[in-house]
Amino acid sequence: GIQVEQSPPDLILQEGANSTLRCNFSDSVNNLQWFHQNPWGQLINLFYIPSGTKQNGRLSATTVATERYSLLYISSSQTTDSGVYFCAVGLLLTGGGNKLTFGTGTQLKVEL
Amino acid sequence: EPEVTQTPSHQVTQMGQEVILRCVPISNHLYFYWYRQILGQKVEFLVSFYNNEISEKSEIFDDQFSVERPDGSNFTLKIRSTKLEDSAMYFCASSESLGRSYEQYFGPGTRLTVT
Repeated sequence: GIQVEQSPPDLILQEGANSTLRCNFSDSVNNLQWFHQNPWGQLINLFYIPSGTKQNGRLSATTVATERYSLLYISSSQTTDSGVYFCAVGLLLTGGGNKLTFGTGTQLKVEL
Repeated sequence: EPEVTQTPSHQVTQMGQEVILRCVPISNHLYFYWYRQILGQKVEFLVSFYNNEISEKSEIFDDQFSVERPDGSNFTLKIRSTKLEDSAMYFCASSESLGRSYEQYFGPGTRLTVT
């Protein structure tokens, strides 16, 4: 099956710092999502980004599908950004729907 | 904003017991999924469901597991005889599709503890 690797596995930032999280995948995919898992375990949608660049406030993401990677940028980090960030790649199913394969995540801690 | 809901938020059960986890997907969505996350690990795909049929299932989804859409709003995951290793967070998700977007939206999860 497809392999999804995320780096770095752990990251500690001072509040206000910027960071880049990377997601590499081993084969062609149909789509890609970024999630933030908050301390309560909820998976919050950040971006649906099969290709190109999107921005939402302090966050932005870029997917270069032909080179099999995606990047998540966090600017001016805040303590509420802490949690685990997951990349998930999607493959369309012949029977209908879309199967997501998740990476192992980046654990981010933002300190004052 | 519409959201996926799940009940219960936490369930404790004894090994060998049957459990049913419930989900209400977003109302105009066509595709439904279950995933699980063992504590400290990544999220894993279990099953996808479309047009009242399973469209794909993983190796984890063995004969102990079943899914059902009993009415127009609920989507359930049943584990017939729970094992200790079934302890995990179970997430339901749904997506709209119609060729525009396959973005999946996740519910808050049900934490299942098997003792």
